[in-house]
Amino acid sequence: SQQGEEDPQALSIQEGENATMNCSYKTSINNLQWYRQNSGRGLVHLILIRSNEREKHSGRLRVTLDTSKKSSSLLITASRAADTASYFCATVMNRDDKIIFGKGTRLHILP
Amino acid sequence: GAGVSQTPSNKVTEKGKYVELRCDPISGHTALYWYRQSLGQGPEFLIYFQGTGAADDSGLPNDRFFAVRPEGSVSTLKIQRTERGDSAVYLCASSFDLRADTQYFGPGTRLTVL
Repeated sequence: SQQGEEDPQALSIQEGENATMNCSYKTSINNLQWYRQNSGRGLVHLILIRSNEREKHSGRLRVTLDTSKKSSSLLITASRAADTASYFCATVMNRDDKIIFGKGTRLHILP
Repeated sequence: GAGVSQTPSNKVTEKGKYVELRCDPISGHTALYWYRQSLGQGPEFLIYFQGTGAADDSGLPNDRFFAVRPEGSVSTLKIQRTERGDSAVYLCASSFDLRADTQYFGPGTRLTVL
């Protein structure tokens, strides 16, 4: 089963623009994570935000979490061609629990 | 240091055959996870280990799937009587322990059942 649902399913933007992806989930969580996947293979952990946090930054990434709306957003600023990938949100309900991934957003950066 | 490795990278088999997929976690990582990813979908949890024991195997789809980690390091995912619907990329990940926030993923094994 998949808890998170990303929106949009696909996104194409010009290089240099900002990309925003959203994730909605159904149950209360301990933390929410964002991963990137290139070419349908190994995933790379990008950032984690805990249920008591509202916003977090890492380089060009900004993640927000609204637990009242059960939603999160990932913002990539000043996009680059290398950012072209699929991005997944993943939720952890309780500490020590398994990670549940959403279906992902396919991001394409146009030159 | 070396990351998570998976072998083989690709496996083609015939319906009804038995397959084994191997995962070598990062040295020192006690937690190991298996996921299955179908085209256009996110990774689907199968099972995870803490040490040698399966902490949660609730994601295994049926009793044709089995995973072991006898020495607490390398893990093998075993699929009996493969079906065409088993075709997917099987991903392995490891983390320092179950409480670690970050999982490190291998490149996956693409399984094709003809």
